[in-house]
Amino acid sequence: SAVISQKPSRDICQRGTSLTIQCQVDSQVTMMFWYRQQPGQSLTLIATANQGSEATYESGFVIDKFPISRPNLTFSTLTVSNMSPEDSSIYLCSVNIQGGNTEAFFGQGTRLTVV
Amino acid sequence: KQEVTQIPAALSVPEGENLVLNCSFTDSAIYNLQWFRQDPGKGLTSLLLIQSSQREQTSGRLNASLDKSSGRSTLYIAASQPGDSATYLCAVRPGNNDMRFGAGTRLTVKP
Repeated sequence: SAVISQKPSRDICQRGTSLTIQCQVDSQVTMMFWYRQQPGQSLTLIATANQGSEATYESGFVIDKFPISRPNLTFSTLTVSNMSPEDSSIYLCSVNIQGGNTEAFFGQGTRLTVV
Repeated sequence: KQEVTQIPAALSVPEGENLVLNCSFTDSAIYNLQWFRQDPGKGLTSLLLIQSSQREQTSGRLNASLDKSSGRSTLYIAASQPGDSATYLCAVRPGNNDMRFGAGTRLTVKP
């Protein structure tokens, strides 16, 4: 299994500002995943963060809006830039642990409200 | 493109009932399927992981089944309790580093 610490757990931000979310894992992992969950919706993958290379973004998400850092094998950050009320969501960090099978584990999420 | 559907979207039951949550997916070529629990405003807690070669997995009062050929999985919760109230999400893994989520079933267990 994996223990993932994500912070902040929640924040209320002014529009036009940026917020950086941190994700720390208790073991080394090759890839870390960032998801967005808009109110009442399911999870949508934003990007995959690989250590030592640029993140891979899903369709509809761009690096200028959601820059990601991955300085080592246990840590990643996601920044939500130039926020608008439409960015109000839960942002989740996830990792895969590969033993006999691949199992996903999630952080506790960051609940962002943009006013 | 893999699509995951969960029925019902919401369910309210009295305490003590046994219940079944349903998950269907359009492409049977999956590595595994995972059931999660999500409390309001929180992250996801992994409940059960079923490998593509398995038919079911059990953990305590939870039992998950997988019928890959028909693209279906069920999560059975026995003797439900108010503490089981949460949203339950089903996710399939079409590739090793890819996951597709359903929209979830919001469960309320009334005392």
